[in-house]
Amino acid sequence: NAGVTQTPKFRILKIGQSMTLQCTQDMNHNYMYWYRQDPGMGLKLIYYSVGAGITDKGEVPNGYNVSRSTTEDFPLRLELAAPSQTSVYFCASSGGADTGELFFGEGSRLTVL
Amino acid sequence: GQNIDQPTEMTATEGAIVQINCTYQTSGFNGLFWYQQHAGEAPTFLSYNVLDGLEEKGRFSSFLSRSKGYSYLLLKELQMKDSASYLCAVVDSNYQLIWGAGTKLIIKP
Repeated sequence: NAGVTQTPKFRILKIGQSMTLQCTQDMNHNYMYWYRQDPGMGLKLIYYSVGAGITDKGEVPNGYNVSRSTTEDFPLRLELAAPSQTSVYFCASSGGADTGELFFGEGSRLTVL
Repeated sequence: GQNIDQPTEMTATEGAIVQINCTYQTSGFNGLFWYQQHAGEAPTFLSYNVLDGLEEKGRFSSFLSRSKGYSYLLLKELQMKDSASYLCAVVDSNYQLIWGAGTKLIIKP
């Protein structure tokens, strides 16, 4: 059972480049999330989805886009990368909004130079 | 605004007991989570409290007082592998998770 898989683990981007962080889960969870975590800070919600075809903005959505065409996949797109997007990104899934424990991917460390 | 407060860093000795506090002011309350995060790794689930009282799970216990907006995580018989950050997160009235910045726990031999 793979759980939540996200790729790539590391990436260096130049300012203005675009990329997609991939996330897939095999637990048939409806809820999926993208967080970013800056050093010494808590997790900030970028986007989330409560099911296939439904996405919504979190606390810090600017500069990002998502899609949820299937239950399993929830890719995060960075358009026109900026140094402020240098961070560690975590994808997570859960079976429910309130009592559902979050299962996290291993994280993607992104540096924008 | 919504706010979760935790100490930034704590130090404890191997074999001892440590209590990590979390206070919250959120728009509504639908549960509180504690997660453990080792350096360079993803958070992993430790506990969930929705009713007042103490939940015990092995060496780890979590307490909640909803009237005081307060929780703590109690770690007993500390081991070196317990060195990590401990994240408190509250589910608000919109069923959104509000995260604290985490408490970095340093265990000394």
